[in-house]
Amino acid sequence: KAGVTQTPRYLIKTRGQQVTLSCSPISGHRSVSWYQQTPGQGLQFLFEYFSETQRNKGNFPGRFSGRQFSNSRSEMNVSTLELGDSALYLCASSVGGDRTDTQYFGPGTRLTVL
Amino acid sequence: TQLLEQSPQFLSIQEGENLTVYCNSSSVFSSLQWYRQEPGEGPVLLVTVVTGGEVKKLKRLTFQFGDARKDSSLHITAAQPGDTGLYLCAGDNNAGNMLTFGGGTRLMVKP
Repeated sequence: KAGVTQTPRYLIKTRGQQVTLSCSPISGHRSVSWYQQTPGQGLQFLFEYFSETQRNKGNFPGRFSGRQFSNSRSEMNVSTLELGDSALYLCASSVGGDRTDTQYFGPGTRLTVL
Repeated sequence: TQLLEQSPQFLSIQEGENLTVYCNSSSVFSSLQWYRQEPGEGPVLLVTVVTGGEVKKLKRLTFQFGDARKDSSLHITAAQPGDTGLYLCAGDNNAGNMLTFGGGTRLMVKP
Protein backbone atom coordinates (compact mmCIF):
# COMPACT_ATOMS: atom_id res chain seq x y z
CA LYS A 1 0.00 0.00 0.00
CA ALA A 2 1.43 3.39 -0.98
CA GLY A 3 2.28 5.77 1.83
CA VAL A 4 1.28 9.38 2.31
CA THR A 5 2.50 11.51 -0.57
CA GLN A 6 3.07 15.23 -0.55
CA THR A 7 3.67 17.53 -3.47
CA PRO A 8 5.72 19.43 -4.18
CA ARG A 9 8.65 18.27 -2.06
CA TYR A 10 10.45 21.61 -2.30
CA LEU A 11 9.15 25.09 -2.95
CA ILE A 12 10.71 28.55 -3.01
CA LYS A 13 8.48 31.60 -2.81
CA THR A 14 8.91 35.28 -2.07
CA ARG A 15 7.24 37.35 0.62
CA GLY A 16 3.68 38.31 -0.15
CA GLN A 17 3.02 35.40 -2.47
CA GLN A 18 0.66 32.56 -1.73
CA VAL A 19 1.28 28.84 -1.89
CA THR A 20 -0.77 25.65 -2.09
CA LEU A 21 0.53 22.33 -0.82
CA SER A 22 -1.04 18.98 -1.57
CA CYS A 23 -1.34 15.78 0.43
CA SER A 24 -2.63 12.40 -0.72
CA PRO A 25 -3.40 10.12 2.22
CA ILE A 26 -3.01 6.38 2.36
CA SER A 27 -5.83 4.67 0.49
CA GLY A 28 -8.81 4.21 2.79
CA HIS A 29 -7.71 6.88 5.27
CA ARG A 30 -10.25 9.60 5.84
CA SER A 31 -8.46 11.90 8.27
CA VAL A 32 -5.67 14.25 7.24
CA SER A 33 -3.78 16.46 9.66
CA TRP A 34 -1.26 19.16 8.82
CA TYR A 35 1.76 20.18 10.90
CA GLN A 36 4.44 22.84 10.57
CA GLN A 37 7.98 21.92 11.61
CA THR A 38 10.62 24.57 12.26
CA PRO A 39 13.94 24.40 14.12
CA GLY A 40 12.74 26.94 16.67
CA GLN A 41 9.17 25.82 17.36
CA GLY A 42 9.36 22.14 16.49
CA LEU A 43 6.28 20.38 15.19
CA GLN A 44 3.09 22.36 15.59
CA PHE A 45 -0.43 21.28 14.69
CA LEU A 46 -2.14 23.35 12.00
CA PHE A 47 -5.48 21.65 11.37
CA GLU A 48 -7.21 18.35 10.79
CA TYR A 49 -9.79 17.38 8.20
CA PHE A 50 -12.13 14.45 8.32
CA SER A 51 -14.74 13.70 5.68
CA GLU A 52 -14.19 17.10 4.04
CA THR A 53 -14.79 18.99 7.31
CA GLN A 54 -12.24 20.79 9.44
CA ARG A 55 -12.48 19.08 12.77
CA ASN A 56 -9.64 20.66 14.73
CA LYS A 57 -7.57 23.80 14.33
CA GLY A 58 -4.28 24.84 15.87
CA ASN A 59 -3.16 28.30 16.88
CA PHE A 60 -2.16 29.73 13.50
CA PRO A 61 -3.31 32.94 11.80
CA GLY A 62 -6.06 32.94 9.22
CA ARG A 63 -3.49 33.12 6.42
CA PHE A 64 -3.23 29.37 6.87
CA SER A 65 -6.19 27.48 5.47
CA GLY A 66 -6.97 24.08 4.12
CA ARG A 67 -9.56 21.87 2.59
CA GLN A 68 -10.26 18.23 1.94
CA PHE A 69 -11.81 16.71 -1.14
CA SER A 70 -14.24 13.84 -1.42
CA ASN A 71 -11.38 11.44 -2.21
CA SER A 72 -9.73 12.48 1.11
CA ARG A 73 -6.91 14.33 -0.62
CA SER A 74 -6.14 17.57 1.16
CA GLU A 75 -4.60 20.89 0.31
CA MET A 76 -3.33 23.64 2.53
CA ASN A 77 -2.90 27.22 1.45
CA VAL A 78 -0.79 29.96 2.92
CA SER A 79 -1.52 33.48 1.72
CA THR A 80 0.64 36.60 2.02
CA LEU A 81 3.75 34.60 2.82
CA GLU A 82 6.12 35.84 5.50
CA LEU A 83 9.76 34.90 6.06
CA GLY A 84 8.73 33.06 9.20
CA ASP A 85 6.56 30.70 7.18
CA SER A 86 9.70 28.94 5.96
CA ALA A 87 9.32 25.44 7.32
CA LEU A 88 8.76 21.78 6.60
CA TYR A 89 5.03 21.19 6.22
CA LEU A 90 3.98 17.66 7.09
CA CYS A 91 0.70 15.97 6.60
CA ALA A 92 -0.41 12.82 8.34
CA SER A 93 -3.29 10.51 7.60
CA SER A 94 -5.19 8.04 9.73
CA VAL A 95 -7.99 5.61 9.13
CA GLY A 96 -11.05 6.99 10.81
CA GLY A 97 -9.76 9.98 12.64
CA ASP A 98 -10.26 8.43 16.05
CA ARG A 99 -7.64 9.78 18.39
CA THR A 100 -6.36 6.26 18.96
CA ASP A 101 -5.68 5.72 15.27
CA THR A 102 -2.05 5.70 14.21
CA GLN A 103 -1.08 8.73 12.18
CA TYR A 104 1.19 8.09 9.20
CA PHE A 105 3.29 11.02 8.10
CA GLY A 106 4.32 11.99 4.61
CA PRO A 107 7.86 13.16 3.76
CA GLY A 108 6.83 16.81 3.91
CA THR A 109 7.07 19.86 1.69
CA ARG A 110 10.05 22.10 2.39
CA LEU A 111 8.91 25.71 1.87
CA THR A 112 11.46 28.49 1.70
CA VAL A 113 10.24 32.08 1.71
CA LEU A 114 12.73 34.68 0.45
CA THR B 1 -1.47 25.36 26.29
CA GLN B 2 -0.08 21.92 26.95
CA LEU B 3 3.66 21.66 26.55
CA LEU B 4 5.98 18.73 26.28
CA GLU B 5 9.59 19.31 27.25
CA GLN B 6 12.17 16.91 25.88
CA SER B 7 15.68 16.47 27.19
CA PRO B 8 18.38 16.43 26.20
CA GLN B 9 18.01 18.40 22.98
CA PHE B 10 21.17 16.91 21.51
CA LEU B 11 23.04 13.72 22.27
CA SER B 12 26.20 12.42 20.65
CA ILE B 13 27.42 9.04 21.84
CA GLN B 14 29.61 6.15 20.77
CA GLU B 15 28.23 2.91 19.41
CA GLY B 16 27.45 0.49 22.23
CA GLU B 17 26.58 3.11 24.84
CA ASN B 18 23.20 3.35 26.55
CA LEU B 19 21.07 6.48 26.65
CA THR B 20 17.80 7.80 27.99
CA VAL B 21 15.60 10.54 26.53
CA TYR B 22 13.00 12.24 28.69
CA CYS B 23 9.66 13.80 27.84
CA ASN B 24 7.98 15.82 30.60
CA SER B 25 4.82 17.83 30.98
CA SER B 26 2.74 19.44 33.69
CA SER B 27 -0.37 18.17 31.90
CA VAL B 28 -1.93 14.75 31.80
CA PHE B 29 -2.12 13.04 28.44
CA SER B 30 -4.49 10.27 27.40
CA SER B 31 -1.62 8.61 25.59
CA LEU B 32 1.90 9.40 24.54
CA GLN B 33 3.65 8.45 21.35
CA TRP B 34 7.29 8.27 20.37
CA TYR B 35 8.44 8.92 16.81
CA ARG B 36 11.75 8.84 15.00
CA GLN B 37 12.40 11.17 12.12
CA GLU B 38 15.26 10.90 9.67
CA PRO B 39 16.43 13.67 7.34
CA GLY B 40 14.12 14.23 4.40
CA GLU B 41 11.37 12.08 5.86
CA GLY B 42 8.35 12.47 8.07
CA PRO B 43 8.20 11.09 11.61
CA VAL B 44 7.64 7.34 11.93
CA LEU B 45 5.71 6.02 14.91
CA LEU B 46 7.74 3.78 17.24
CA VAL B 47 5.29 3.14 20.05
CA THR B 48 2.16 4.38 21.81
CA VAL B 49 1.84 4.14 25.59
CA VAL B 50 -1.57 4.52 27.12
CA THR B 51 -1.64 3.26 30.71
CA GLY B 52 0.15 5.00 33.57
CA GLY B 53 3.24 3.01 34.52
CA GLU B 54 3.20 1.10 31.25
CA VAL B 55 6.50 -0.22 29.90
CA LYS B 56 6.91 -1.30 26.29
CA LYS B 57 9.95 -2.82 24.66
CA LEU B 58 10.88 -2.69 21.00
CA LYS B 59 14.11 -4.65 20.55
CA ARG B 60 16.76 -2.44 22.21
CA LEU B 61 14.31 0.40 22.90
CA THR B 62 12.36 0.58 26.16
CA PHE B 63 9.54 3.08 26.58
CA GLN B 64 7.93 3.98 29.87
CA PHE B 65 4.86 6.08 30.64
CA GLY B 66 4.84 7.79 34.02
CA ASP B 67 2.32 6.70 36.64
CA ALA B 68 0.56 10.07 36.43
CA ARG B 69 0.64 10.04 32.61
CA LYS B 70 2.55 13.34 32.56
CA ASP B 71 5.96 12.07 31.53
CA SER B 72 7.66 9.38 29.53
CA SER B 73 11.13 8.08 28.83
CA LEU B 74 12.86 6.27 26.02
CA HIS B 75 15.88 4.14 26.86
CA ILE B 76 18.14 2.72 24.15
CA THR B 77 20.51 -0.08 25.06
CA ALA B 78 23.75 -0.60 23.12
CA ALA B 79 23.05 2.18 20.64
CA GLN B 80 23.96 1.61 17.01
CA PRO B 81 24.65 4.10 14.20
CA GLY B 82 21.29 3.15 12.70
CA ASP B 83 19.61 4.67 15.77
CA THR B 84 20.75 8.12 14.65
CA GLY B 85 17.86 10.47 14.12
CA LEU B 86 15.45 12.93 15.69
CA TYR B 87 13.33 11.38 18.44
CA LEU B 88 10.02 13.07 19.13
CA CYS B 89 7.47 12.49 21.83
CA ALA B 90 3.88 13.51 21.19
CA GLY B 91 0.93 13.65 23.52
CA ASP B 92 -2.71 13.06 22.79
CA ASN B 93 -4.73 15.54 24.83
CA ASN B 94 -8.05 13.85 24.15
CA ALA B 95 -9.13 16.70 21.87
CA GLY B 96 -9.57 14.96 18.62
CA ASN B 97 -6.85 13.82 16.28
CA MET B 98 -4.40 16.50 17.37
CA LEU B 99 -0.94 15.78 18.73
CA THR B 100 1.24 18.04 20.86
CA PHE B 101 4.89 17.40 20.08
CA GLY B 102 7.96 17.85 22.21
CA GLY B 103 10.91 19.77 20.83
CA GLY B 104 12.77 16.60 19.94
CA THR B 105 16.08 14.98 20.82
CA ARG B 106 18.63 14.80 18.06
CA LEU B 107 20.68 11.66 18.56
CA MET B 108 23.93 10.87 16.80
CA VAL B 109 25.57 7.50 17.34
CA LYS B 110 29.15 7.36 16.14
CA PRO B 111 30.66 4.04 14.98
